[in-house]
Amino acid sequence: QSALTQPPSASGSPGQSVTISCTGTSSDVGAYNYVSWYQQHPGKAPKLMIYEVIKRPSGVPDRFSGSKSGNTASLTVSGLQAEDEADYYCTSYRGRDDLRVFGGGTKLTVL
Amino acid sequence: QVQLQESGPGLVKPSETLSLTCTVSGDSISSNNYLWGWIRQPPGKGLEWVASIFHRGSAYYNPSLRSRATISIDTSKSQFSLKLRSVTAADTAVYFCAREIVPPGDQIQVWGQGTLVPVSS
Repeated sequence: QSALTQPPSASGSPGQSVTISCTGTSSDVGAYNYVSWYQQHPGKAPKLMIYEVIKRPSGVPDRFSGSKSGNTASLTVSGLQAEDEADYYCTSYRGRDDLRVFGGGTKLTVL
Repeated sequence: QVQLQESGPGLVKPSETLSLTCTVSGDSISSNNYLWGWIRQPPGKGLEWVASIFHRGSAYYNPSLRSRATISIDTSKSQFSLKLRSVTAADTAVYFCAREIVPPGDQIQVWGQGTLVPVSS
């Protein structure tokens, strides 16, 4: 089961915007609008930040937004804050026989 | 507010079977709106989906683990479980149980705190 491709790291200064990409194939990211993003701080469980490509759960700041173009989904964090420093993972639906696949994760550093 | 709590052995020996249970509280495990799943994370590495199950028993598995994994659910106890056979050191990971919202493959809404399962002799 090949993972979705994410950059290992990303960074930005407080107040800036940063975008993290998540590249899959025409069998997962490109085929379905079931891409979600998770934030994970060290030693903690992941937290849902974006689902169905663009939707934000209640309580997630609107500084977090999602998008998709072709086989690549993206998470944008605007107005970076220190507490945004964490690992971010994307995941996509892949069909009934191979339900979901995760990206390798991106470590976001706030400079 | 729904809560999930993993429980299981602190250590598993190579070639043996890893057994984990997740206890659900604060909401019904029998809702048609949810799947119940396991995701694991080897130390210092990324997340890997393991398996998911509906309350009626329909199950989904990661193809790379399908031959060794069994997920089951006991609605009377509000618990679901994972068994992973013939483990090796590569199965050492933090195992999270989770509640997923239908349709399958969509959002993982609630996570347990995770439990570290080392595989070592």
